[in-house]
Amino acid sequence: DTAVSQTPKYLVTQMGNDKSIKCEQNLGHDTMYWYKQDSKKFLKIMFSYNNKELIINETVPNRFSPKSPDKAHLNLHINSLELGDSAVYFCASSQAETSGTDTQYFGPGTRLTVL
Amino acid sequence: AQSVSQHNHHVILSEAASLELGCNYSYGGTVNLFWYVQYPGQHLQLLLKYFSGDPLVKGIKGFEAEFIKSKFSFNLRKPSVQWSDTAEYFCAVNALNTGGFKTIFGAGTRLFVKA
Repeated sequence: DTAVSQTPKYLVTQMGNDKSIKCEQNLGHDTMYWYKQDSKKFLKIMFSYNNKELIINETVPNRFSPKSPDKAHLNLHINSLELGDSAVYFCASSQAETSGTDTQYFGPGTRLTVL
Repeated sequence: AQSVSQHNHHVILSEAASLELGCNYSYGGTVNLFWYVQYPGQHLQLLLKYFSGDPLVKGIKGFEAEFIKSKFSFNLRKPSVQWSDTAEYFCAVNALNTGGFKTIFGAGTRLFVKA
């Protein structure tokens, strides 16, 4: 009965490859997010979706493309992976984005290593 | 632009010592403030949050935080730490930006409590 799940947990790949990370939440939340945590531990918002609609898109390279097939899923596809993409990627969800007071529920993270 | 500063990156305490972790933010408007915690091997989870009312908020496991608007601060405190409080603590600010609410996280403070 995991609330927010991500797969895979670890991902090791070569530069130039294309990879996807999947995220699912079973909390019935309307809003989902992707964060990137770099080597200095900063958690930075990349994208947020509300009811399958993109609402926040930070300055992220076009190689990153989120896809939300339904409001319980938000997948992250990364094209032409680069060394600098190595990080831990966290998915999160919250009830709604209408007030900014909602708690975010996080997945376990996906550690991506680009060689 | 929003930013969040956590002054201590690493803190080492003995059990029963008192804890205060600093958090300062910069943002001119109304903010919602959060502390999240990540215990070893676990997901990031909410410790406490503030969005209105009494500026002294109490969270789980005996933690509290005080919002001081004039100082743009939201410091986390616990009078007597336990070994099980060993974790990474993240301060976060959620505020309305162009396009919607956005959460900015601090770099985190790693707390180690010696038994």
